[in-house]
Amino acid sequence: AQSVTQPDIHITVSEGASLELRCNYSYGATPYLFWYVQSPGQGLQLLLKYFSGDTLVQGIKGFEAEFKRSQSSFNLRKPSVHWSDAAEYFCAVGPPGSARQLTFGSGTQLTVLP
Amino acid sequence: NAGVTQTPKFQVLKTGQSMTLQCAQDMNHEYMSWYRQDPGMGLRLIHYSVGAGITDQGEVPNGYNVSRSTTEDFPLRLLSAAPSQTSVYFCASSKENYGYTFGSGTRLTVV
Repeated sequence: AQSVTQPDIHITVSEGASLELRCNYSYGATPYLFWYVQSPGQGLQLLLKYFSGDTLVQGIKGFEAEFKRSQSSFNLRKPSVHWSDAAEYFCAVGPPGSARQLTFGSGTQLTVLP
Repeated sequence: NAGVTQTPKFQVLKTGQSMTLQCAQDMNHEYMSWYRQDPGMGLRLIHYSVGAGITDQGEVPNGYNVSRSTTEDFPLRLLSAAPSQTSVYFCASSKENYGYTFGSGTRLTVV
């Protein structure tokens, strides 16, 4: 069965600092990979996705993620965090060829200090 | 373009009551899913549908029913509410493998 681990429950960074959120997955083949963001009281918004090809993918709001097959990781990064980035971030995986049955990680809560 | 619309936004039920959470999308997406979100557990898939007339179970289907009579609508029915079903419920839709668009959620409390 596929699984997703987000080892950091809560991360605090200062505005303008760089950010990296970790995501590790367990799956027999290369799955489809996603990062979502959730603001308080809102639904989830897709930040970026990886299906195949270039292992560095760009998303919205200045985020990027790098797929590393050898480490089974798909870490999310942003060079300079803005106060509006404070939210909860979820990594998700789906079977190859399908983005329908997603398995989500437990989330990382990001706090941004002024 | 409304996207994915969920109603109601908040609901309190008594144990044993039944209710239907509504979900509608206007993007002509063939895939729709229901997830529940509980603290520290991320989102877990309840049921999903790959098109009108086709539904299947996800990770946590017990206590829930779904149907998909049209492309637009995917209601979730709680047959006999239990306190363990207290959660935030999200409906999502997707076209092919573009990634899900989520509704804003229904916060359900069962007392």
